[in-house]
Amino acid sequence: GNSVTQMEGPVTLSEEAFLTINCTYTATGYPSLFWYVQYPGEGLQLLLKATKADDKGSNKGFEATYRKETTSFHLEKGSVQVSDSAVYFCALSGVSNAGKSTFGDGTTLTVKP
Amino acid sequence: EAGVAQSPRYKIIEKRQSVAFWCNPISGHATLYWYQQILGQGPKLLIQFQNNGVVDDSQLPKDRFSAERLKGVDSTLKIQPAKLEDSAVYLCASSSTSLGGVAEAFFGQGTRLTVV
Repeated sequence: GNSVTQMEGPVTLSEEAFLTINCTYTATGYPSLFWYVQYPGEGLQLLLKATKADDKGSNKGFEATYRKETTSFHLEKGSVQVSDSAVYFCALSGVSNAGKSTFGDGTTLTVKP
Repeated sequence: EAGVAQSPRYKIIEKRQSVAFWCNPISGHATLYWYQQILGQGPKLLIQFQNNGVVDDSQLPKDRFSAERLKGVDSTLKIQPAKLEDSAVYLCASSSTSLGGVAEAFFGQGTRLTVV
């Protein structure tokens, strides 16, 4: 079956540091890949997505590239801010059924000023 | 555009009691999902509806969990009787029907259930 493995947290960084959160997946066929973010006290929000190999999803300074050869979708940001403190979830789903997703266990990011 | 609404936000019950959660999806979204998120884990799909029909309930513990989506809009998820291990956040999500594309899922804020 499908599965997603995220790097374990929590991750603590200083403001303006470089962020990488690793995500690898196992799936049949060619899934779509997502990063969701959950800010304190809020619901899950889609951060970015990629639907085919070599696609790069980007939003709010975050980027992730769909790497089929390494089955990875690592999340990166060049300079984090305190407001980026949240829990980040990597997920996958079949094409045209984004809601039915398989999620990783989440990585908690804390950014200190 | 109004988001996915869920209620209540918090619920504390004793084991063996029953509880129900309500979800109102984004207007026009045909697909509705219920997820269970245990502390420290990612969300896990319990059931998926397409309009008022069940598409996938393979992960729903049917001996104690039930869900319905009457008229293809609102949905309720019920647990009866509750167990300690049911303590979790229950997330509702909805998405529009997509023809060959990727339909983004929108999540509600969830209901945090504590079973004592």
